[in-house]
Amino acid sequence: QVQLQESGPGLVGPSETLSLTCSVSGGSITSYYWSWIRQPPGKGLEWIGYIHTSGSTNYNPSLKSRVTISLDTSNNQISLRLSSVTAADTAVYYCARDLVPNYYYYGLDVWGPGTTVTVSS
Amino acid sequence: IQMTQSPSSLSASVGDRVTITCRASETINNFLNWYQQKPGKAPKLLIYLASSLQSGVPSRFSGSGSGADFNLIISGLQPEDFATYYCQQTYNSPPITFGQGTRLEIK
Repeated sequence: QVQLQESGPGLVGPSETLSLTCSVSGGSITSYYWSWIRQPPGKGLEWIGYIHTSGSTNYNPSLKSRVTISLDTSNNQISLRLSSVTAADTAVYYCARDLVPNYYYYGLDVWGPGTTVTVSS
Repeated sequence: IQMTQSPSSLSASVGDRVTITCRASETINNFLNWYQQKPGKAPKLLIYLASSLQSGVPSRFSGSGSGADFNLIISGLQPEDFATYYCQQTYNSPPITFGQGTRLEIK
């Protein structure tokens, strides 16, 4: 079955750019929406944005000026870049896939285990 | 769209029937999903489109509602059900928004 694995630096300096990769195994990334979600320590879930394999994207307006989500279909990877980070961006970052191909509203049925990113000097 | 869950926390016993409510700040038709999250783990999809049970999820979980008011019902709590539950609206994107969570604890 499809499995996701997030990877990237666990520590990022203030004002730097956070870069994470989600590697997909056991299936193709085509025809699905792929989302990034984050969860600050002890807090709830925040949707960052999604990308469809057509290349269309949608971002949380609160983060839109700093976020880029992209695809590498040849390597079955989804990437997240978040610029000008502050301590408020410290969180567990998850990638996830939607339940139904080509639809984003059926819910996220496959998740990676998450990766913790701390913003600190 | 703001999603408000109630209660924020809940104590219950094994075997109990519990209801968690999620209210949207405006109508979202039935574009409402429910997740369960255990400490240190990723969320797990339980219910999609308000009332459809995700494959592999026990039938003691059910969802109801439409418009702006929704319920997640667990009939006959099991020890493994003690977790935090989140609702998520996907009607108006961007942004997709989650409720603040309901922590279900053992009494």
